[in-house]
Amino acid sequence: EVQLLESGGGLVQPGGSLRPSCAASGFTFSNYAMSWVRQAPGKGLEWVSGISGSGGSTYYADSVKGRFTISRDNSKNTLYLQMNNLRAEDTAVYYCAKDGEGAESFDYWGQGILVTVSS
Amino acid sequence: DIQMTQSPSSLSASVGDRVTITCRASQGISNYLAWFQQKPGKVPKSLIYAASSLQSGVPSKFSGSGSGTDFTLTISSLQPEDFATYYCQQYYSYPLTFGGGTKVEVK
Repeated sequence: EVQLLESGGGLVQPGGSLRPSCAASGFTFSNYAMSWVRQAPGKGLEWVSGISGSGGSTYYADSVKGRFTISRDNSKNTLYLQMNNLRAEDTAVYYCAKDGEGAESFDYWGQGILVTVSS
Repeated sequence: DIQMTQSPSSLSASVGDRVTITCRASQGISNYLAWFQQKPGKVPKSLIYAASSLQSGVPSKFSGSGSGTDFTLTISSLQPEDFATYYCQQYYSYPLTFGGGTKVEVK
């Protein structure tokens, strides 16, 4: 059974940093690209960042480029999102999501973690 | 970036109704289009990929169609568990982008 378990959310001050992670199980982690998707309170879904299965290719939304860094440790089956210089508008529930077979769109999502940026 | 526009943004329907939601891409995306369902306070659920292929376990009352720039999600007979917000998403190119969502409410 595929499971994606995020951790590392919380309350952080503007300008601060956070590094949530997503522990994966139930599939061959290194074979699949992964993404982070967020949802601000009362708003829609926003894709944040993606990474290839090997980790060699990374992609970012303009809203986080230069501040967030996605990475993965395939030996630990874990995905990360280093979030620096956080802003109030980064407040959201963050989900990790797994690509489907054949690089199709997401087939599994984590339960989500709340990141709150506030003084 | 590819913009995804959903319509309507909300709709009211009754149990048993046939419901259709439209999604338009700002440029051609072939069939690299997915649909997701989200209920309040819950994790998004993947319904359809490649514009018309059902994810495993998704009931056949859901169907998707389209290619290029225009796509539709149809629920053939709305049931109480289908009242939710639906999002389309293109995965033709990065950055991946979602539509603004369509909230399906009880009439």
